[in-house]
Amino acid sequence: EIVLTQSPGTLSLSPGERATLSCRPSQSVSSSYLAWYQQKPGQAPRLLIYGASSRATGIPDRFSGSGSGTDFTLTISRLESEDFAVFYCQYSGSSPPTFGRGTKLEIK
Amino acid sequence: QLQLQESGPGLVKPSETLSLTCTVSGGSISGSSYYWGWIRQPPGKGLEWIGSIYYSGSTYYNPSLKSRVTMSVDTSKNHFSLKLTSVTAADTAVYYCARPRNNQQQWLVFDYWGQGTLVTVSS
Repeated sequence: EIVLTQSPGTLSLSPGERATLSCRPSQSVSSSYLAWYQQKPGQAPRLLIYGASSRATGIPDRFSGSGSGTDFTLTISRLESEDFAVFYCQYSGSSPPTFGRGTKLEIK
Repeated sequence: QLQLQESGPGLVKPSETLSLTCTVSGGSISGSSYYWGWIRQPPGKGLEWIGSIYYSGSTYYNPSLKSRVTMSVDTSKNHFSLKLTSVTAADTAVYYCARPRNNQQQWLVFDYWGQGTLVTVSS
C-alpha cells in the first residue's frame, strides 16, 4: 500500500498569496495516478487535478499540479477566499487506492 | 446532471450490519462502464476507499475491509448498495458514494460524489 505524506499539515496564508502543497508517496509512483481533491466543511471532496497535472472539468487555472516519482505539488497561484479548505492527494495506481491525511489551508 | 444520493440508517448498533444505498439520477448505472465507488471519512479524519462495483456486479474491495464488506447493484432501480458487517465504533464515519472520472486509467479517481451520510455506531 502506498502511503502518501502531505505537508504542511496546516498552511496559513492570505488571499492573493501563492499556496504550495506537497504530497510525497512512500515509493516512486506513476504520475498518471496522482490526484488532488479539495474539501470544504460539510461537503464532499471535489476533484481538482488528475494525472498529477490535468485540471478536472470546471477547475480554475489558478490551480495547477506538478511533480513525479516521490514528490508532487499542488499550487494555487493567487488565493481567493473560496479556496480555503482541506486538500487531499490520492494515489490510484495500486490496490487499495490511498489518500493522504490532508493539508488544511486557512486564512491568515 | 449526474447526481448521487446515499440513504440508510444513521445509527447502527455495535456488532450489527451497516447497510447503505446510493441512488443515481441523471444517468444510468447499466448504460455506463464505470466502477461505482464507496468512500468513507471518520469525523475529523481523512478519506478511505471501501470498494467499487461494476454494473455487472464485479467488485473490488479494500483488503483492510474485505472480510466484512459486500457490495451489490440493482440496475432496475439504478442504485448500488454497501453492507458492512460486525461494525464497531471505528466504523463511525461519513459514507460517500461516488462515480469515477472514467473506466480506464482514472477508474478510481472520483469526480461525482454524493453529499455523504453520517453513520454512527453506538448502542
